[in-house]
Amino acid sequence: GIQVEQSPPDLILQEGANSTLRCNFSDSVNNLQWFHQNPWGQLINLFYIPSGTKQNGRLSATTVATERYSLLYISSSQTTDSGVYFCAVLNYGGATNKLIFGTGTLLAVQP
Amino acid sequence: KAGVTQTPRYLIKTRGQQVTLSCSPISGHRSVSWYQQTPGQGLQFLFEYFSETQRNKGNFPGRFSGRQFSNSRSEMNVSTLELGDSALYLCASSSGTSGTDTQYFGPGTRLTVL
Repeated sequence: GIQVEQSPPDLILQEGANSTLRCNFSDSVNNLQWFHQNPWGQLINLFYIPSGTKQNGRLSATTVATERYSLLYISSSQTTDSGVYFCAVLNYGGATNKLIFGTGTLLAVQP
Repeated sequence: KAGVTQTPRYLIKTRGQQVTLSCSPISGHRSVSWYQQTPGQGLQFLFEYFSETQRNKGNFPGRFSGRQFSNSRSEMNVSTLELGDSALYLCASSSGTSGTDTQYFGPGTRLTVL
């Protein structure tokens, strides 16, 4: 099955700093999503981005499908950005909605 | 549009008991998937239901089961609870027709088995 690796596993930033999170996947995908897990456990959708670049405020994401990686950029980080960031992919060839998750990046933004 | 809802939000059970968790998807969505999250194993796929049929199942024992109703609401059941079943259980909702649509997650049910 598809393997998903995220790096770095942990990241500590000072408020206002920028960061780049990376997601590598081992096979072609139809679907790639980035999530932020809040302290209560809910997965908040950040981007649906199987290819290309998207931006939403201080966050942006780029997926290079041919090279099998995706990047999540966080600019001018705030303490509320703290939490775990997950990348998840799906290959729909088998007519299933099964998402394969990476192990996540734990981000701590210090004031 | 209302988001994905899950009930209950918290549960405490003892070993050997059984538990039923509920998930109501976003209106119009026909696919509901369930995931288990534990510190040691991360987020793992349990199963997916689409139009009342189980479309895929993860690598979990038969104690884990589920179903989907005609209104797309889904329930999952865990029988003969074990300590290792303590986890956050998340459900995801999507249209389910192509795999290229966004999946939305509910707030989760946190199960503690004593």
